[in-house]
Amino acid sequence: EVQLLESGGGLVQPGGSLRLSCAASGFTLSSYAMNWVRQAPGKGLEWVSAISGSGSSTYYADSVKGRFTISRDSSKNMLYLQMNSLRAEDAAVYYCARNLVAGTGGPNWFDPWGQGTLVTVSS
Amino acid sequence: DIVMTQSPDSLAVSLGERATINCKSSQSVLYSSNNKNYLAWYQQKPGQPPKLLIYWASTRESGVPDRFSGSGSGTDFTLTISSLQAEDVAVYYCQQYFGTLPTFGQGTRLEIK
Repeated sequence: EVQLLESGGGLVQPGGSLRLSCAASGFTLSSYAMNWVRQAPGKGLEWVSAISGSGSSTYYADSVKGRFTISRDSSKNMLYLQMNSLRAEDAAVYYCARNLVAGTGGPNWFDPWGQGTLVTVSS
Repeated sequence: DIVMTQSPDSLAVSLGERATINCKSSQSVLYSSNNKNYLAWYQQKPGQPPKLLIYWASTRESGVPDRFSGSGSGTDFTLTISSLQAEDVAVYYCQQYFGTLPTFGQGTRLEIK
């Protein structure tokens, strides 16, 4: 069964850092582009970042560019999101999501999704 | 970035009736070389992650009931639920993947009248 399990969320002060992890099972992570999508409390979905199936390209929303870094460890089948200089507006549930179809390219449409991990940014 | 705008923001429909949700993109998401619209639809129920319903604007994901259908091309798209069931209460999102950076619509909340 294909599964994604996020971890690493929590409470962090403004300006702080956090590293999110996503454990993939049931498929080879390096065969797919992988994404992070967030959802602020009571709000809609916002795509945040992606890493291509080949691993050679990374993509970021303007709102996080220069502050967040996506990476993966193929040997562990793990996806990561390093979040620095966190702001109040970064508070959200962060979902890890896989491209539906395997390939070397960038993000397209997403399935499956993990259950999400909550990031709270507050002093 | 391509901006996706859904209408209405919320919708109440009687059980068994048709529900229609619209999505408009700020530029065409039709790729001329393969004649495909780079548009997907998701369903999100309370406390759950989103679930993919439709991609390529009209291709139903495996396991999705056939009462869900997608249509449209270019900049205007529609998600239709032909006969609303109680389990369809959710927020629905459209998403484009034509641009390098994917973007979502703001969501449409569907309720039972």
